[in-house]
Amino acid sequence: DTEVTQTPKHLVMGMTNKKSLKCEQHMGHRAMYWYKQKAKKPPELMFVYSYEKLSINESVPSRFSPECPNSSLLNLHLHALQPEDSALYLCASSQDQGVYGYTFGSGTRLTVV
Amino acid sequence: AQSVTQPDIHITVSEGASLELRCNYSYGATPYLFWYVQSPGQGLQLLLKYFSGDTLVQGIKGFEAEFKRSQSSFNLRKPSVHWSDAAEYFCAVPMNSGYSTLTFGKGTMLLVSP
Repeated sequence: DTEVTQTPKHLVMGMTNKKSLKCEQHMGHRAMYWYKQKAKKPPELMFVYSYEKLSINESVPSRFSPECPNSSLLNLHLHALQPEDSALYLCASSQDQGVYGYTFGSGTRLTVV
Repeated sequence: AQSVTQPDIHITVSEGASLELRCNYSYGATPYLFWYVQSPGQGLQLLLKYFSGDTLVQGIKGFEAEFKRSQSSFNLRKPSVHWSDAAEYFCAVPMNSGYSTLTFGKGTMLLVSP
């Protein structure tokens, strides 16, 4: 299995909702990442988990809450989002050193209404 | 901090013509460099990567890139473009020495004309 699977593919949520994005990989990768990508922009790093521990948080607002239940799963919990949070949310994984390159999921297209 | 610059926001190439996408890097030591491709509404796919050694790197889908230290460049090339190559292309480099996280250039949108 050489894929990163993200669910759901599309999500529409109200500003008072709570939802979660899920990411799964079975490649034995020990680093997992959340990136946010706005239209016509490059991906921007949000969080990095290394060996199931949060190692980098790029000053992301607390309405985004990551979780890594085990080495194969990564969640992003969403609460009280704003319309400007609408974006493509990409999950990626890598061997313990990301310098070997990432494997990206196909993303979750999030719309906040 | 390390960074990459992609000078061209978009490029249009005729199908069958050759392609070169530019990437310039800012990096203190020998950089790790990557090219990714993103089709509309999709995730990013790794095309190729450079760590050290041979400066001409072969990738998937017929792409290659050449590392030129004297020009601080890592340009992506393909000898004959197919319509299916139309996509956004990102050059990437590690954010900081010793870190594994990547930062991406602003991307170049490739349009392929018939």
